[in-house]
Amino acid sequence: DAGVIQSPRHEVTEMGQEVTLRCKPISGHDYLFWYRQTMMRGLELLIYFNNNVPIDDSGMPEDRFSAKMPNASFSTLKIQPSEPRDSAVYFCASSLPPGETQYFGPGTRLLVL
Amino acid sequence: SQQGEEDPQALSIQEGENATMNCSYKTSINNLQWYRQNSGRGLVHLILIRSNEREKHSGRLRVTLDTSKKSSSLLITASRAADTASYFCATHGAQKLVFGQGTRLTINP
Repeated sequence: DAGVIQSPRHEVTEMGQEVTLRCKPISGHDYLFWYRQTMMRGLELLIYFNNNVPIDDSGMPEDRFSAKMPNASFSTLKIQPSEPRDSAVYFCASSLPPGETQYFGPGTRLLVL
Repeated sequence: SQQGEEDPQALSIQEGENATMNCSYKTSINNLQWYRQNSGRGLVHLILIRSNEREKHSGRLRVTLDTSKKSSSLLITASRAADTASYFCATHGAQKLVFGQGTRLTINP
């Protein structure tokens, strides 16, 4: 298996623009997680899905952030409109049961100017 | 919060020495996991220890768990330059996995 795949790997955009991050989890994994990592706040869980259904989105910072999982092999995290404080590395991870080993993608490094 | 807190925040040792990192948490857990993150990369799972286990080994890694003290330690023996990375503990309680802030380990040649 290729592991968790994320795209793009790097994104530079201007404030106010829409940003879409993409993730393909490991085949057969029922759980998908979106994290954000910054120096100041560390690794934060934004939202996670079970069988394509959002289970907990309490970590989503505000309404500008939205996430979808239309099928078992694809998820998106969208920021609209983007702001400079959204600059961070965004990771997608997948797992079987949620408390077991999580497999992380390489991350998307987002810079909002 | 059940968030794990790693100690120390940064550790610098000579190649060949052993490195020990500690993690403390606040609430009961089902398991505790350690992950490694190389600069600019995603997190990689190292080892998982369940609440009814006290010690676990994997290659040069040794993890202990003391649920009475709500603490865990990760020992890396005979360190190598390639072990330079950040190490995170993550606790699994009710549902989510909650990550600590990490220990930045530097192995000097």
